[in-house]
Amino acid sequence: GQQLNQSPQSMFIQEGEDVSMNCTSSSIFNTWLWYKQDPGEGPVLLIALYKAGELTSNGRLTAQFGITRKDSFLNISASIPSDVGIYFCAGQKNAGGTSYGKLTFGQGTILTVHP
Amino acid sequence: GAGVSQTPSNKVTEKGKYVELRCDPISGHTALYWYRQSLGQGPEFLIYFQGTGAADDSGLPNDRFFAVRPEGSVSTLKIQRTERGDSAVYLCASSSLGTGTNGSYNEQFFGPGTRLTVL
Repeated sequence: GQQLNQSPQSMFIQEGEDVSMNCTSSSIFNTWLWYKQDPGEGPVLLIALYKAGELTSNGRLTAQFGITRKDSFLNISASIPSDVGIYFCAGQKNAGGTSYGKLTFGQGTILTVHP
Repeated sequence: GAGVSQTPSNKVTEKGKYVELRCDPISGHTALYWYRQSLGQGPEFLIYFQGTGAADDSGLPNDRFFAVRPEGSVSTLKIQRTERGDSAVYLCASSSLGTGTNGSYNEQFFGPGTRLTVL
């Protein structure tokens, strides 16, 4: 099935460094989301973006919804060891004013933070 | 409060067998979703329920896969004649509403998943 193109696939950084990851799609999504997944757990929502061009922050996290509605990025500032995990972007589409429930996910970015 | 729960947490079966995976959504959530996550991949949508009915089953890979939600709460994903390629983590999520109004998102809360291994 369709998945969003997410990069990089993995990142190894030192504690305190900033991190950036992004996601692109060949089709338009009306809502972009960023999730984090820890081992043995389901994904947990970090940030939701609703409007093209929107820039949203949640603590050390900042995400932007691309103007074309086909891309998004997530930045993590001053990384800490508990940031370790897999980060997923996800998109949700609208049609005729009604949101579809299903989410389309990227392949994930594995983040490793060295103390 | 209690989150989404899934049972069993792990299931090992033999090729050709039938399996059932259960999802208990957050109380009061009308929408329920099933996703499948293969190793090293993001979750892939399977089916979405609004109440008791399947609003979108376009992600079910073939007719060996079937899901029910008879009372609009607990859901069961059923897989017949399992194949080795069915091995994956099956995730369930629920939300308060299946469809959001424009400019909003009804957050999907995910369970921990059931890891299915077909030998």
